[in-house]
Amino acid sequence: GAGVSQSPRYKVAKRGQDVALRCDPISGHVSLFWYQQALGQGPEFLTYFQNEAQLDKSGLPSDRFFAERPEGSVSTLKIQRTQQEDSAVYLCASSLDSQGDQPQHFGDGTRLSIL
Amino acid sequence: SQQGEEDPQALSIQEGENATMNCSYKTSINNLQWYRQNSGRGLVHLILIRSNEREKHSGRLRVTLDTSKKSSSLLITASRAADTASYFCATDGGTSYGKLTFGQGTILTVHP
Repeated sequence: GAGVSQSPRYKVAKRGQDVALRCDPISGHVSLFWYQQALGQGPEFLTYFQNEAQLDKSGLPSDRFFAERPEGSVSTLKIQRTQQEDSAVYLCASSLDSQGDQPQHFGDGTRLSIL
Repeated sequence: SQQGEEDPQALSIQEGENATMNCSYKTSINNLQWYRQNSGRGLVHLILIRSNEREKHSGRLRVTLDTSKKSSSLLITASRAADTASYFCATDGGTSYGKLTFGQGTILTVHP
């Protein structure tokens, strides 16, 4: 399909395990964003990539969170030593350019549950 | 933390009625966007209004922006059951690359 694809759709992990969440943006989109959405809340910004460069990681909650986009396309969000408060939906979005006046196209998210 | 405040938090109406949702924000912006989210799905972009615009229309949607009051409203006319969803406003906080800050959303239920 032509949309943003995220995998897995659901992930259950035990506290302390590491997890990796994948995002395939729309082909050719320069900007890629990760957001975290708690139940009943709006999404909260985590990090931003322009092509392969991570230009803003101010929203990452701790140094256990790490994101990469090595070839400027697919991105991975990794969470190390997961904790219960990491349980949330993680949303990826891409937009055509880096000018900030384009709509963001969202994937359906990965619902992460930490037991 | 959420920048925006949306009201009402929940809105229940009958098909054919109009639905109005309001959003307030705190910082300067380049643009404000509205998104819709169906349960268990990602967000779908509805409309973008730039800071120098006051009103914008798209189909049954009408968005207004008052930068002096730091507020926006979304009007959905002649609502349908398929409009049932959560609606979020999002601002870019004046960033050059469009980092969005979302409100808490309004849950709209349209009864057939």
